[in-house]
Amino acid sequence: AQTVTQSQPEMSVQEAETVTLSCTYDTSESDYYLFWYKQPPSRQMILVIRQEAYKQQNATENRFSVNFQKAAKSFSLKISDSQLGDAAMYFCAFGSSNTGKLIFGQGTTLQVKP
Amino acid sequence: DTAVSQTPKYLVTQMGNDKSIKCEQNLGHDTMYWYKQDSKKFLKIMFSYNNKELIINETVPNRFSPKSPDKAHLNLHINSLELGDSAVYFCASSQDKTGTVGNTIYFGEGSWLTVV
Repeated sequence: AQTVTQSQPEMSVQEAETVTLSCTYDTSESDYYLFWYKQPPSRQMILVIRQEAYKQQNATENRFSVNFQKAAKSFSLKISDSQLGDAAMYFCAFGSSNTGKLIFGQGTTLQVKP
Repeated sequence: DTAVSQTPKYLVTQMGNDKSIKCEQNLGHDTMYWYKQDSKKFLKIMFSYNNKELIINETVPNRFSPKSPDKAHLNLHINSLELGDSAVYFCASSQDKTGTVGNTIYFGEGSWLTVV
């Protein structure tokens, strides 16, 4: 069974600085997808970034980028030039190509200090 | 235009009642899901349907019954509500079930259920 682990329950960053959120996963599948979702206090789940396991190139979306290490089964999220609006809970998720379901990590609460 | 919409957004009800949450997606997706987020914010899949066919049924009590009248709708009916059912329930959809076209899952805004 797949598992996703986020070892940092809480993180904080100064506005305009860079922060990295960690995520590791375990799977025996070779074809899968990895995601980072943002959940603000409104509880809406917002897709931040997506990575296909077969791609070696790390995904990037504006200020958000990932460091995908397939052999190490690691998928960290880097947020550059942090903004107050980035404050939220961030979930790492594993997407199975076999079943289509997402397995979520425990979440990391990010605080952005002005 | 909301891609995945669910109603009601907030629901407070008494133990023992039966309630339903409705979900609709206008993305033309084939697969729809129900996820539950508990009080510790842990998210877990409950069900998924692909073209009205049940394909994922996690270990969820029989009191929870999903119904998909067509591929754009997936409703969740809960019988005999218990205190432990209090949670945020998220409806979601994706293009297909296997990831051949990316498998990105889009979530609705959530339905906050409180059982008192």
